[in-house]
Amino acid sequence: EVQLLESGGGLVQPGESLRLSCAASGFSFSNYAMTWVRQAPGKGLEWVSLIINNGDTTYYADSVKGRFTISRDNSKNTLYLQMDSLRAEDTAVYYCAKSPIAVAGTSWFDPWGQGAPVTVSS
Amino acid sequence: SYVLTQPTSVSVAPGKTARITCGGNNIGSKSVHWYQQRPGQAPVLVIYYDTQRPSGIPDRVSGSISANTATLTISRVEAGDEADYYCQVWDTHSDHWVFGGGTNLNVL
Repeated sequence: EVQLLESGGGLVQPGESLRLSCAASGFSFSNYAMTWVRQAPGKGLEWVSLIINNGDTTYYADSVKGRFTISRDNSKNTLYLQMDSLRAEDTAVYYCAKSPIAVAGTSWFDPWGQGAPVTVSS
Repeated sequence: SYVLTQPTSVSVAPGKTARITCGGNNIGSKSVHWYQQRPGQAPVLVIYYDTQRPSGIPDRVSGSISANTATLTISRVEAGDEADYYCQVWDTHSDHWVFGGGTNLNVL
């Protein structure tokens, strides 16, 4: 069974940093692109970032470009999201999810992890 | 950037058919995927490639697409179908993955 388990969420002050992790199991992690999607309280889904299977290419939403860094360690079956210069508007539940393909393209996301809550507040 | 437009809410009586639309410029040229999100839970894929159902999704759930609108149809609606539904595409011009604003399905 494919499983994704996020960790690392919490409460931080504006301007601070946080790193999320997503531990994957049940599939050949190194064969698939992975993504982060967030959901602010009471709002819809917002795509954040995607990384291809070998980590060589990354993609970011305009709202986080230059502040967030996606990475992966295929030897540990783990996806990361380094979030720097956090703002109040980054407050959300952050989900990791698996793409059905190795690279970028017309892909969907399935399955999703249970989500990691991040709160940015002073 | 590419925009997907969904109605905020759709209401339907049990046993009836619910149709949730997703509009976008020339969306018929893209592949549309749909997710269900029940309260307090992570999203679940219910339709991919416009019309395909993942294993475990009942055949009451179906997808269709025309030139400028994709539609998620849920037949014989049950109380358990009450959830938020999101459409999603990949925008080739920006290399961004885009979600619609979401539609709350209310079962009367």
